[in-house]
Amino acid sequence: QVQLVESGGGVVQPGRSLRLSCAASGFTFSTYGMHWVRQAPGKGLEWVAVIWFDGSSKYYADSVKGRFTISRDNSKNTLYLQMNNLRAEDTAVYYCARDQDGDRLDYWGQGTLVTVSS
Amino acid sequence: AIRMTQSPSSFSASIGDRVTITCRASQGISSYLAWYQQKPGKAPKLLIYAASTLQSGVPSRFSGSGSGTDFTLTISYLQSEDFATYYCQQYYSYPRTFGQGTKVEIK
Repeated sequence: QVQLVESGGGVVQPGRSLRLSCAASGFTFSTYGMHWVRQAPGKGLEWVAVIWFDGSSKYYADSVKGRFTISRDNSKNTLYLQMNNLRAEDTAVYYCARDQDGDRLDYWGQGTLVTVSS
Repeated sequence: AIRMTQSPSSFSASIGDRVTITCRASQGISSYLAWYQQKPGKAPKLLIYAASTLQSGVPSRFSGSGSGTDFTLTISYLQSEDFATYYCQQYYSYPRTFGQGTKVEIK
């Protein structure tokens, strides 16, 4: 069955960096686009970034553009989110999600919490 | 960016009620809309895509309609497990955007 497992969250000071990982299994990872979506405590969902199945295209939310980088290693079935220059407003649960047919997000991980605080 | 606005933000309903949630896009998005359900502490779950196509395994009491800028999610007969927050999301263009969510609570 499809499984997405995020890791790498934690408490980090403002201005520092963190890298999140999403380990995929149960499907052919290299044939699917992948997304990151976040949710601040008590708030709604915010789309963060997407990467094409082969890594050829990437798009970002304006709120993270220039600070976050999405990448993938298809040989390791793993998606990444490199987060630099973190701000308090980046505090959220970060979910990875699989893109089906270039539209819907049909499978989601359980999320990993990132807290940016001094 | 396309702005997605849901209404209402929250409401109370009883088991067995028929409920409707509305989602409006700030510009036309054809039928490039999905609905997700989220329960506290859990990841979102895909319910409907292409505005009206039910995701596999989702009960038939859920339905979606609309195109262009106005969309609805309907639960025909509310069950106890349907009390949750619902989000619409457009995938017409990047950045993809979600509505702010509609919380369905027990009356």
